[in-house]
Amino acid sequence: AQTVTQSQPEMSVQEAETVTLSCTYDTSESNYYLFWYKQPPSRQMILVIRQEAYKQQNATENRFSVNFQKAAKSFSLKISDSQLGDTAMYFCAFAKQPFSQNFVFGPGTRLSVLP
Amino acid sequence: EPEVTQTPSHQVTQMGQEVILRCVPISNHLYFYWYRQILGQKVEFLVSFYNNEISEKSEIFDDQFSVERPDGSNFTLKIRSTKLEDSAMYFCASMKDSDTQYFGPGTRLTVL
Repeated sequence: AQTVTQSQPEMSVQEAETVTLSCTYDTSESNYYLFWYKQPPSRQMILVIRQEAYKQQNATENRFSVNFQKAAKSFSLKISDSQLGDTAMYFCAFAKQPFSQNFVFGPGTRLSVLP
Repeated sequence: EPEVTQTPSHQVTQMGQEVILRCVPISNHLYFYWYRQILGQKVEFLVSFYNNEISEKSEIFDDQFSVERPDGSNFTLKIRSTKLEDSAMYFCASMKDSDTQYFGPGTRLTVL
């Protein structure tokens, strides 16, 4: 069974600074997908970024980028120029099949961006 | 931009009662999911649905749960006889292809 671990239950960062959220996972699959979802206080889950395991290049989406280390089974999220609106729970998620894609979520990291 | 919608936003029910949580997935999506999140805990997969049948379900999804796509637009989760431990946020998600799941805003279920 796949597991996803986020070792930082809570983090904080000053506005405009950079922060990195950690995620590790365990799987025997060779191809899979990894995601970061953001859940602000409104509780809606919003996709931040996605990475396909067969792609070597790290995904980037504006201020958000990942450091995907397949051999180490690590998938960290870097947020640059942090904004107050980035305050949220961040969940790392794993999906092993391209079509069914039931996600396995990590326990989440609560990020607070401080003014 | 199309969104997944869920109703109601908050449902309060008595233990033992049946509840139906409703979701309207994005219109051209083919795969549908339910997840739940007990307060303070991580999001857990319940069930996936494709081509009018369940494709996968978790251990949580026991005989008390059922899903249905009654009319081609709604996707419902029914809990037949609610228990206190069913209190959680329930998220619906939909996916078009081998793409990304888009989540609804959730329904908070409170069982008294």
